[in-house]
Amino acid sequence: DTEVTQTPKHLVMGMTNKKSLKCEQHMGHRAMYWYKQKAKKPPELMFVYSYEKLSINESVPSRFSPECPNSSLLNLHLHALQPEDSALYLCASSQAHGQGETQYFGPGTRLLVL
Amino acid sequence: KQEVTQIPAALSVPEGENLVLNCSFTDSAIYNLQWFRQDPGKGLTSLLLIQSSQREQTSGRLNASLDKSSGRSTLYIAASQPGDSATYLCAVRGGTSYGKLTFGQGTILTVHP
Repeated sequence: DTEVTQTPKHLVMGMTNKKSLKCEQHMGHRAMYWYKQKAKKPPELMFVYSYEKLSINESVPSRFSPECPNSSLLNLHLHALQPEDSALYLCASSQAHGQGETQYFGPGTRLLVL
Repeated sequence: KQEVTQIPAALSVPEGENLVLNCSFTDSAIYNLQWFRQDPGKGLTSLLLIQSSQREQTSGRLNASLDKSSGRSTLYIAASQPGDSATYLCAVRGGTSYGKLTFGQGTILTVHP
């Protein structure tokens, strides 16, 4: 199974809402990533988790809060977002962080902030 | 700061044609380079990964080359098919195995029957 799943596929939220994005993989990967992709732009790294611990935070605003409850699951908690946060949020995983190997991407969650 | 440029931004070809997508990067101190495919509104699918010590990688009708010293990579697609239509992204990993991926803007490929 080389699949990364993400839920929900689409999400519409107001600026005062709290919502969460979920990512799951069952490949035994120990590194998981969140990327943000604006329309017609390349993905930009947000966070890296390695062995369930936050390894890299690319200076992401605190209204985005990642969580890795276990080695298969990665969440992104959203609170007080702005309309400019509307984007495709991609999750990825790899065997481990720091081995330079392929990352496997999920289909993404398309987020619209009103 | 690493910058990755892909040319052309868009390409439309008839089915059956062989084509080349180009990727250039400003800092040659890379660990590896990867080509991805992205269908509209979808995630990324890894196509080929070339380590910095390698010159090329092949998978089926795809061949990717790397000239690290000149900061260039090409993705060659043989006998293109309508199903190849997608956005192709080049990504370079910074100088160590911990380096993050820096993506190019992508080439939007359309193969028409």
